[in-house]
Amino acid sequence: RKEVEQDPGPFNVPEGATVAFNCTYSNSASQSFFWYRQDCRKEPKLLMSVYSSGNEDGRFTAQLNRASQYISLLIRDSKLSDSATYLCVVTRDTGRRALTFGSGTRLQVQP
Amino acid sequence: SAVISQKPSRDICQRGTSLTIQCQVDSQVTMMFWYRQQPGQSLTLIATANQGSEATYESGFVIDKFPISRPNLTFSTLTVSNMSPEDSSIYLCSGGVANTGELFFGEGSRLTVL
Repeated sequence: RKEVEQDPGPFNVPEGATVAFNCTYSNSASQSFFWYRQDCRKEPKLLMSVYSSGNEDGRFTAQLNRASQYISLLIRDSKLSDSATYLCVVTRDTGRRALTFGSGTRLQVQP
Repeated sequence: SAVISQKPSRDICQRGTSLTIQCQVDSQVTMMFWYRQQPGQSLTLIATANQGSEATYESGFVIDKFPISRPNLTFSTLTVSNMSPEDSSIYLCSGGVANTGELFFGEGSRLTVL
């Protein structure tokens, strides 16, 4: 079983739509959680951290359910520029802070 | 934030040769890592680059195949040794500060082995 699992998509949505991505992780000792964004042929970049209380950044809302080992990302009012691959990321331990990446969910927002 | 520069950005190499990728960070980071991203796949951690000491390798990666150096806080190298076509991939250097969640990535080195 992969440490971090995501639906690969692609999710094809029209502009203005709301879309949600889910992610599960297998290691209950995982400490920190993030969503990264990777554009085609570019390096990953941090989109937002994910907290147990849930957090929002503009059109983006992230939530964490530790009991279910489940992370979500909600994008409201999708823009063409949101088209990218969204990577669910967890840290395996607090010592080295190495990140474990999911395989990513591809989003294509269409006009 | 940190800006991470990698070189070469791409290379085409012959089977059996070795290639060294350099990574330079513009500010001091406590953590540096090397990842591999194969076509259509996500990132796989190769190793943690430790300043002044041997790197810490993940399962499936060994020092003889992927020797890593980190002589100071802002510079690291990854060598892909005795290359085979299976080593064709994008190799990404990343850096971050301990106790923060964010890793910054270089643009990657796209390696093709013939």
